[in-house]
Amino acid sequence: AQTVTQSQPEMSVQEAETVTLSCTYDTSESDYYLFWYKQPPSRQMILVIRQEAYKQQNATENRFSVNFQKAAKSFSLKISDSQLGDAAMYFCAYRTWAQGGSEKLVFGKGTKLTVNP
Amino acid sequence: AAGVIQSPRHLIKEKRETATLKCYPIPRHDTVYWYQQGPGQDPQFLISFYEKMQSDKGSIPDRFSAQQFSDYHSELNMSSLELGDSALYFCASSFQGGVTEAFFGQGTRLTVV
Repeated sequence: AQTVTQSQPEMSVQEAETVTLSCTYDTSESDYYLFWYKQPPSRQMILVIRQEAYKQQNATENRFSVNFQKAAKSFSLKISDSQLGDAAMYFCAYRTWAQGGSEKLVFGKGTKLTVNP
Repeated sequence: AAGVIQSPRHLIKEKRETATLKCYPIPRHDTVYWYQQGPGQDPQFLISFYEKMQSDKGSIPDRFSAQQFSDYHSELNMSSLELGDSALYFCASSFQGGVTEAFFGQGTRLTVV
């Protein structure tokens, strides 16, 4: 079974600075998807960024980028120019490539990010 | 753009009662997932449906059942409620033939007293 590990229960960053959240995963599959979801105090789950395992290029969405190291099974999230609104719980998630079967997301335990003004 | 709609947003039930949570996926999405998130916990997968058929099952208690209807909406039925069932219940939907990420609803906060 796939597992996702986020080793940083809490992180903090100064406004306008950069922070990196770590995620590692374990799988025997060669094709899969990886995601970062953000959960603010409202508890809405918001997709931040996704990465297909077959793509070597790291995904980027505005101030958010990932460092995907497939061999190391590592998928870190970098937030640049941090803003107060980035404060939230961040979940790393894994999804199998298969369709019509087990497409569930497997989540890590989350990292609580605090942004200091 | 239309999002995943869950109802009700908040629900308070007594122990041993029954609750029904509803989920309306994004139009044309063919897969629905249910997750349970306890306080301070990560979301735990309960069950999923693809084209109205159950596609996968997670740590869903036997007291819970779910189905997806012909219009693709889904309902999670929870019977003999226990205090430990108090949690945020998320529904998510996705379209297998295109965009791969799951879009989440705002959740139903169930409190069992």
